[in-house]
Amino acid sequence: QSVLTQPPSASGTPGQTVTISCSGGSSNIGSNFVYWYQQLPGTAPKLLIYRNNQRPSGVPDRFSGSKSGTSGSLAISGLRSEDEADYFCAAWDDSLSGHVVFGGGTKVTVL
Amino acid sequence: QVQLVQSGAEVKKPGASVKVSCEVSGYTFSAYVVHWVRRAPGLGLEWMGWIIAYNDKTNYAQSLQGRVTMTMPRDTSTRTAYMELRSLRSDDTALYYCASTSSSRAADLSFWGQGTLVIVSA
Repeated sequence: QSVLTQPPSASGTPGQTVTISCSGGSSNIGSNFVYWYQQLPGTAPKLLIYRNNQRPSGVPDRFSGSKSGTSGSLAISGLRSEDEADYFCAAWDDSLSGHVVFGGGTKVTVL
Repeated sequence: QVQLVQSGAEVKKPGASVKVSCEVSGYTFSAYVVHWVRRAPGLGLEWMGWIIAYNDKTNYAQSLQGRVTMTMPRDTSTRTAYMELRSLRSDDTALYYCASTSSSRAADLSFWGQGTLVIVSA
């Protein structure tokens, strides 16, 4: 059972927009930044969005992130076949001595 | 350019220990943190803990307390992080990743190793 809650799957046709939600609590998303990772099949995870809505260099602007209260979301616009991957949200959690928490992951399928 | 290179795949028997290495290069100073994350088959990412490179402070996931140790010896020309997991069980079978960041209190894992497959099987 992951601390952050994501839908297990999402899908869309090429060109469509897919949105993935990430629900947390006051000790994680409510008081810290949300991060998003993309994991393509057979590869290591890659940082996609940092500090709620910032894109690292090289990440297309088709990917955007937002945060409101204790929830975050990732939108993929202009969906492409190469976007088919697992997406994970993450945040720092202030409980206990502090730790990183992940969402369970969302498998995005391009139909 | 920051790079993390991990050691090769391991096959262990239940009850044994495994030690995975992660060679870190590209940082000018030791002001960085090495996290360890694993992904078991069919499951999501699980944070295991971190070690701060400049002072060796560690922070482990509560679920792994007592079974995991993270180290980063300073007596070598290269900085290599190690993650040792003891009393292995079948559900420890996973891909293990190291990742680095500049912050110890955020989830921004900026750079990742290629992953090390650990299989626990009798």
